[in-house]
This record gives sequence, C-alpha cells and structure tokens, in this order.
Amino acid sequence: DARVTQTPRDKVTEMGQEVTMRCQPILGHNTVFWYRQTMMQGLELLAYFRNRAPLDDSGMPKDRFSAEMPDATLATLKIQPSEPRDSAVYFCASAVLQGRIAFFGQGTRLTVV
Amino acid sequence: GESVGLHLPTLSVQEGDNSIINCAYSNSASDYFIWYKQESGKGPQFIIDIRSNMDKRQGQRVTVLLNKTVKHLSLQIAATQPGDSAVYFCAENRDGGTSYGKLTFGQGTILTVHP
Repeated sequence: DARVTQTPRDKVTEMGQEVTMRCQPILGHNTVFWYRQTMMQGLELLAYFRNRAPLDDSGMPKDRFSAEMPDATLATLKIQPSEPRDSAVYFCASAVLQGRIAFFGQGTRLTVV
Repeated sequence: GESVGLHLPTLSVQEGDNSIINCAYSNSASDYFIWYKQESGKGPQFIIDIRSNMDKRQGQRVTVLLNKTVKHLSLQIAATQPGDSAVYFCAENRDGGTSYGKLTFGQGTILTVHP
C-alpha cells in the first residue's frame, strides 16, 4: 500500500526551538510538495521539489523556514526559530514526474507554545 | 478576543440523498482540476480529476462537472453515505513550466451526512 509517510504526527514545542518535519514520498514519485493548513488560510503551498531540486518556495517565509531533499526518499521542512504563528498542520504530498495528482501524507500537527 | 477564520460553506444532507458541492475558480488559464476529500485528522485524499477539454467526468458514485464559461466546478455524489462526511476541496492547476503539478486549493466545503 503505497503512501506518503510523515513524521512526527504531532509536535509540541516551545517558541524559539528548532522543528524538523520529515516526509518519505511514495517510491518512484519525484515531485514533492509541502503544504500548510490553518483555519485562517486554508491549504497553502510552501514549497515544492522536482527531482530533488527546489522549483518554487515562494510560499515559504525564508528567514525561518527551509526545505530540502537530502535524497529521493526523504524531504525535510525545518523551522528555526519557531513561533506561535507557525502552529498549523503541515502536509507533504508527492506526485509522479508527469503527473498532476498529488498524494498527501497524514500531516504533522505542530503546536508552538 | 473573537477568533477569525475561514467560514467554510456547509452542506447537510440525509443518507441516500444526492449531494452537489460547488467551487468557483479564478484563473482562466487553469487547465486541470481535482477534487479532494479530507476527513478529520487526515490528509486530503484524491477523489476525481478533470481536464479543461472536458465538461463532465464520472467515477464511482461521483461526477465532476466543469463550466469554463463561468469558471465553475461541481462535484456530485450519488446516494450519499455517512462515510462521505468530510471537507471537500477543489484544486486547480495551470500547465506550463514550473507551474505543472502545482495545485491551488479552494477554501473547502463541509459535507455532513445524517443517517
């Protein structure tokens, strides 16, 4: 059963701490997306990669957020330092190279206190 | 203070009824559309897609209609079941360069199915 795997599922951290969220895309999918979901803004695209290269990260606050793909099986999203306004559910999604259907993980619920 | 957030449209139906969820999109250059279903505590799940060269596509119990003239998309669910209760999102994509595969999501509609 192919699926996008995200860890951790839940994270509570104190303001100022570094947070790292991880994503394992579906095997063979070489497009990876990071979305953030909040009650205020809904689902927003933060960044996405194709063949591990960043294509668009215009939705991401550059001063504190960073997204990388160290290898084809791992994508990371880091927040340093975290702030209460970063509290949200962060979703990773993946798609095949020429595909437009993004398959989502279960999300990481981040709470910054 | 008062909390402010998205006020999602809601739709309540009885089990067995047909449901119609609507979505307006803004980008006339969008050429591909997807409907996702999101259950509580889960990620969005793909339901059905449609390309802009079509005006209707059917799946199992679901039909998507596309009206490009008025930039309107709808999802019809036949014989709605309690398990269909979720938030439904439409998403659009515009072909071309780095936009390929980059989805823009609508705000969502809450569907509640009463037994």
